[in-house]
Amino acid sequence: GAVVSQHPSRVICKSGTSVKIECRSLDFQATTMFWYRQFPKQSLMLMATSNEGSKATYEQGVEKDKFLINHASLTLSTLTVTSAHPEDSSFYICSVPDRTPNEQFFGPGTRLTVL
Amino acid sequence: RKEVEQDPGPFNVPEGATVAFNCTYSNSASQSFFWYRQDCRKEPKLLMSVYSSGNEDGRFTAQLNRASQYISLLIRDSKLSDSATYLCVVNPSGGFQKLVFGTGTRLLVSP
Repeated sequence: GAVVSQHPSRVICKSGTSVKIECRSLDFQATTMFWYRQFPKQSLMLMATSNEGSKATYEQGVEKDKFLINHASLTLSTLTVTSAHPEDSSFYICSVPDRTPNEQFFGPGTRLTVL
Repeated sequence: RKEVEQDPGPFNVPEGATVAFNCTYSNSASQSFFWYRQDCRKEPKLLMSVYSSGNEDGRFTAQLNRASQYISLLIRDSKLSDSATYLCVVNPSGGFQKLVFGTGTRLLVSP
């Protein structure tokens, strides 16, 4: 299966700053990647679907101007949290779907803390 | 009503015990079903897919009941290393892997 990396693994930033999170598919060309967010003791919630070469598709309630997604190549998608606030503190995880319809491979996640 | 519901637990069991988790889903048209495992502060990893006929992988057995819209996971002979959160996951549309996750059931296996 696909090997997925994320960078950084952990970031602490001040309120109002922007944070960029990278998701890389190391051995698999991914035209689609998914971005999830997980708050403590809650389920993973899909934020958006990142599409290579086109605009991302955002889930209802997710502000596209706040969570900027760029999928410039088949191996890299980035999520930028703009003007971060403490309520954006969460665990952000990307995933790459397998060629078969039955699996997604997740990155190790990025833990964001906004002070 | 949540799309995927699970008992959050925790389930505290001794080593060697058999434990079962259930999960219900609301969309009767859902196509694919999975159990993922998530260790604390880590990413989810696929444990097994769930098929209508039921499937087994070693100590793990998964079953799907479409009529009642529930999915189960049975773990036999629990090991300490089985301690984790087990996520029930559904692909509601059958489309390109848009997954809906339950909140997870936490399992704690003690010596």
